[in-house]
Amino acid sequence: LAKTTQPISMDSYEGQEVNITCSHNNIATNDYITWYQQFPSQGPRFIIQGYKTKVTNEVASLFIPADRKSSTLSLPRVSLSDTAVYYCLVGAGNTDKLIFGTGTRLQVFP
Amino acid sequence: DTAVSQTPKYLVTQMGNDKSIKCEQNLGHDTMYWYKQDSKKFLKIMFSYNNKELIINETVPNRFSPKSPDKAHLNLHINSLELGDSAVYFCASSQDIWQANEKLFFGSGTQLSVL
Repeated sequence: LAKTTQPISMDSYEGQEVNITCSHNNIATNDYITWYQQFPSQGPRFIIQGYKTKVTNEVASLFIPADRKSSTLSLPRVSLSDTAVYYCLVGAGNTDKLIFGTGTRLQVFP
Repeated sequence: DTAVSQTPKYLVTQMGNDKSIKCEQNLGHDTMYWYKQDSKKFLKIMFSYNNKELIINETVPNRFSPKSPDKAHLNLHINSLELGDSAVYFCASSQDIWQANEKLFFGSGTQLSVL
């Protein structure tokens, strides 16, 4: 079973910022937090990864509080093409990091 | 060049047949995986090979047999196909399964339809 809990779905409009929160209360000291994006008929694609505090890349930002029991993926100014399922995975040297949960289905409307 | 490529993209076959799906990665990764995504979109890991050695073998029927001729290839052979095998099968690779900060790279999937 996945070590993470995410909202099943979220709706947004183009141009808005979207924040998807993932709960991982049992995160271990060595665990990393990794987010993937999956479009219909495609394999998941790595978006961002972090261990603590904040990480930013050209696609998204990842905010991780000090206790690391949750994390928030932030997508700035979403467009229709950001409609996808977003998965949060948590793990380290074990196989937890390979387990996908239900993900969050983000629907972006015009 | 596609990093993780799998063939065929679509596979339609009759119950009872035997079929294979091939996967190749050109990323120089040590670890490869097979995932299954069912009609409800749950993505479940099936197998993992690290340097041609079987590392993960989840609860999968014996009819499914992975084969890794070298660390750049991981094929999936399925015997006696059943209706419930219909799904999308994804191949993936990563640098080294034992690294804490592993990132998975997925192929585009094989849509298997068993009639």
